[in-house]
This record gives sequence, structure tokens and C-alpha cells, in this order.
Amino acid sequence: GDSVTQMEGPVTLSEEAFLTINCTYTATGYPSLFWYVQYPGEGLQLLLKATKADDKGSNKGFEATYRKETTSFHLEKGSVQVSDSAVYFCALSRRGNRDDKIIFGKGTRLHILP
Amino acid sequence: KAGVTQTPRYLIKTRGQQVTLSCSPISGHRSVSWYQQTPGQGLQFLFEYFSETQRNKGNFPGRFSGRQFSNSRSEMNVSTLELGDSALYLCASSLYTGLATEAFFGQGTRLTVV
Repeated sequence: GDSVTQMEGPVTLSEEAFLTINCTYTATGYPSLFWYVQYPGEGLQLLLKATKADDKGSNKGFEATYRKETTSFHLEKGSVQVSDSAVYFCALSRRGNRDDKIIFGKGTRLHILP
Repeated sequence: KAGVTQTPRYLIKTRGQQVTLSCSPISGHRSVSWYQQTPGQGLQFLFEYFSETQRNKGNFPGRFSGRQFSNSRSEMNVSTLELGDSALYLCASSLYTGLATEAFFGQGTRLTVV
């Protein structure tokens, strides 16, 4: 079945460091891919998305490119801030099938040190 | 426009009791999904409702049930509570079934079973 694998956390970085959180997926067809972020005490918020191969999603300085050849959707940010500390979830969703649901990775906790 | 509203935010229940959680989706969204989030298992899909019909169901026992009303509001019920049911329960709404478009999450209801 479909699945999402993302790197284990926690990831601890210093402010202004470069961030990469790896995400790979297994799915039939052409899923849409998402990154969600969860701040402490909150629900999940959509951070960015890509709906087809080679699409780049971007938001708040974060970027991820839909790579079909490597089945990956790695999240990157050039210079992280303390306020980026949160849990990040990679997810996929196929389109238009009765059994579709969003499938989430287990989440990666990110700590940014000032 | 108003986001997804979940009530209550916090609940403490005793083993063996039952509980009902409520979710009001974004206006115009007809799809509502429920997830259980725990530190050990991460995000797990419970079920999805669209136009008052359950469209998808995750691998949870029959003690977990839900329903959706004609105004798209949804309730989730857990009967005969167990300690392991302690979790953050998240509701998400989407414009279309199948969740091909992004899901918008509420802040969750944190249930503690003692």
C-alpha cells in the first residue's frame, strides 16, 4: 500500500543553519504531495504542496520539489529561525479514488537553537 | 473565513466511560476526516465522512464511531474508554472527498483517560 517515510527526529540546528528533512514515498499512480507543520499545542497546518512531477512547492522560505524519479519530496530551508521549531509531516494523497485518504509520515521534530 | 472548530479542547474521562467529540468544518467543505495522534503511533486515520456518508475507515475497533450531519458538522464517539485511547484527536475538512485537495485541520481535542 501507499506509504510515506521521513527522517527520524529530533533534528536540532542553530539559527540561520540550512535545513533538509528527507521524505520518500511509495504510491501507485501520481499522488499529490504535502508538507504540514504542527506548532506546539496546535493542529496541523499546510505548509506547501505539489501536485505533479517536477512541481516545486514553496512557502515561508521553505521549498520542496516533487521528484518522481527518486519518489522524494525533501523539505528545505536556507536559513532557519527559532520560530520554525515544530513538528513537520510529509504526506501524500491520490486523486479521485474511493479509498483515498491522506497518508502521513511519522513526523520530524525540529528544534532551532538561538 | 472561520477555520475548523473542534470542541472541547480538553477532556478528562475515566476508563469505561464514553465520550463524544465535535468538529465544525470550514463553511462549504463537505468532507470531514478524523485522526488520532499519539507519541508512539503518530497520526492514524480514523474515518472520513462526505455528505453524511462514511467513505473511508481506518483500522480502529468498533468502539470508535462517527457521524456527519446535514450541515457537515461531525461528531466522533468512543465508547468503553481505555487508557490507550488517551490522545490528541484531530479533525480535518476538505472541499472534495478523496482529499486530493489539501486538508485543513482543527486544533484538536486532547483526551486523557484515567
